[in-house]
Formats: sequence, structure tokens, C-alpha cells
Amino acid sequence: DVQMTQSPSSLSASEGDRVTITCRANQPISIFLNWYQKKPGSAPKLLIHTATTLQSGVPSRFSGSGSGTDFTLTIDGLESEDFAIYYCQQSYKSPHTFGGGTQVDIK
Amino acid sequence: QVHLVEAGGGVVQPGRSLRLSCAASGLMFSYYGMHWVRQVPGKGLQWVAFISYDDSEENYADSLKGRFTISRDNSKNTLYLQMNSLRDEDSAVYYCAKDTLRYSRGDGGAYDVWGQGTLVTVSS
Repeated sequence: DVQMTQSPSSLSASEGDRVTITCRANQPISIFLNWYQKKPGSAPKLLIHTATTLQSGVPSRFSGSGSGTDFTLTIDGLESEDFAIYYCQQSYKSPHTFGGGTQVDIK
Repeated sequence: QVHLVEAGGGVVQPGRSLRLSCAASGLMFSYYGMHWVRQVPGKGLQWVAFISYDDSEENYADSLKGRFTISRDNSKNTLYLQMNSLRDEDSAVYYCAKDTLRYSRGDGGAYDVWGQGTLVTVSS
């Protein structure tokens, strides 16, 4: 199985901050990397697919980069609604493994 | 409006079975592969299973093979997850999710529509 490692596991930030979350695969996965936002009591929400493509309706402060094994999710100008847990996921090959998540808290 | 609505969760004793369903509306259900994903409370997301748009392919998490079966009825726009020989560690919120790719056979897409989740608790 492809192992996905996210870092950091948690971070504290203030509104307006630029936040960067990284995700590393233990083997090349091309661009088949997705990012989701998860809030308590709600279903995951797709933010970015195929590493860099912003899902329809997602604010442009979210962006993704990377290919191969190393990927990044950036939130440029954190807003109050962005405090949540973020997961990366590879869909290069089954099983579609998720990273362990990054909790973004209010500083 | 695209909706997925899960049902069938509840409390079940270890070793027993449960069948979850996921009713789709507002989309061409038969065009898309579908997934089940679960989340143990307080833990991360775990992919469970996938079924192709035409029911020709199924994939499972290795730890669940032989106990869980994914299926679909395109005439009813409904996805299913049959869970047998349930264990304590299967307790989780189970989500169904739609693949972004039409005619997907599993890989390369993302999950763009999710149900609200249904809670399964395995306990004696």
C-alpha cells in the first residue's frame, strides 16, 4: 500500500496567516493527490484534486502543489471557517490511502 | 442538487451483520464509481471499498476483504455495504462518496460528493 505522511499533525495559526501543510507518499503517485477538509459532525469536503486543481466552489485562498512524492496544501489568508482537520489522499492506486490529518487550530 | 443519504447504521453485537445503504439523487448515478470511507471517532479517515459504475470491479481495504461486500443497484440509484462478522474495531461513522470521474474503474479520481455518514457501533 502507498503510505501517506502528513506534517505537521497539528498547528496553531491566526486569521490572516499563511498556512502550509505537507504530504509525502512513500512511492511516486504522479499527480493523483487530493486534499479534503473535515469539520466535526460534517462530511469531508473536497478542496483540491489531482494535486493542483481547485474544486469548484472552493475559495481561491486554497492552493495545492507538488507531484511525485511531495505535495503541499497552502491556505493564503486563513479565515475563521478554515479551522478544521485537513487530510491528503492518494488515488494513484487502490487502496486510496489517506494521510493522518493536520489539525488547524486557532492561536 | 446532488445528494447522498446513508442509512442502516446502529448498534450491533460482535459477530453479527449489518447492511448500509446510500441513496443517491440529483446525479446520473450509473455513470460514477462509488466508495465507502469510514472514520473511527477521534481518528482519521480510512478508505473501505470501491465499486465501478457498472458493477464490474470491486476493491477492498485488505483488512476488510472477506467480511465486507460492496454492491450497487443502478435501477434504484443505491449503493450498499454488507458488513459481516463485525468486530469492535469496525465501530465508526461510515460515509459513501462519489468518484469525480465518469466511468471510473477505481483510480485517478477524487471524492466530490459525500453523504452525511451513518454511525455503526459494534458492542455487546
